[in-house]
Amino acid sequence: EVQLVESGGGLVQPGGSLRLSCAASGFTFSRSGMNWVRQAPGKGLEWVSYTTGSSKNIYYADSVKGRFTISRDNAKNSLYLQMNSLRAEDTAVYYCARQYTSDWYYFDYWGQGTLVTVSS
Amino acid sequence: QSALTQPPSASGSPGQSVTISCTGTSSDIGAYNYVSWYQQHPGKAPKLMIYEVSKRPSGVPDRFSGSKSGNTASLTVSGLQAEDEADYYCSSYAGSNNVLFGGGTKLTVL
Repeated sequence: EVQLVESGGGLVQPGGSLRLSCAASGFTFSRSGMNWVRQAPGKGLEWVSYTTGSSKNIYYADSVKGRFTISRDNAKNSLYLQMNSLRAEDTAVYYCARQYTSDWYYFDYWGQGTLVTVSS
Repeated sequence: QSALTQPPSASGSPGQSVTISCTGTSSDIGAYNYVSWYQQHPGKAPKLMIYEVSKRPSGVPDRFSGSKSGNTASLTVSGLQAEDEADYYCSSYAGSNNVLFGGGTKLTVL
């Protein structure tokens, strides 16, 4: 059974940093592209970042480019999101999501999310 | 780039059909057949319902169908059931390694 479990969320002050983790199981993690997608409270979904299985190709939404860094450790079946220079508008539930098919912009399995709150 | 535009709400009675629209531009929906739809129940993670405009992943009932015309994509739910009540989000590849989502539509089964 495919499982994705996020962790690392919490309360952080504006300008601060946070590192999210996503533990994957039930599939060959190293062969799967992975994404981070976020959802502000009561709002819609927003794609954040993507990495191929080998980390060769990495993409970011303009809203986080230069502040967030996606990475993965295939030996640990884990995906990460390092978030720096956090802003109030980064407050959201952050989901990790697996790429579906050969096209990276479809997401079939999602974790339950971890809440990041940016506030003073 | 702005989010895709969806109506905030839609509704229908059990057994009826309802269609949810998703409007983009010639740079996203109009340019690519890479539209997908997600269902999200309260407090739950989204679930992929439609990809590549009209394809259904394994396990998704054929009551769910998708289509596209120009810059607008649509999700139709036929034979509405109580468990279909949820938020629905459209998504499209927007070029330049970017993905856009819609603002979401709350589907109510009356």
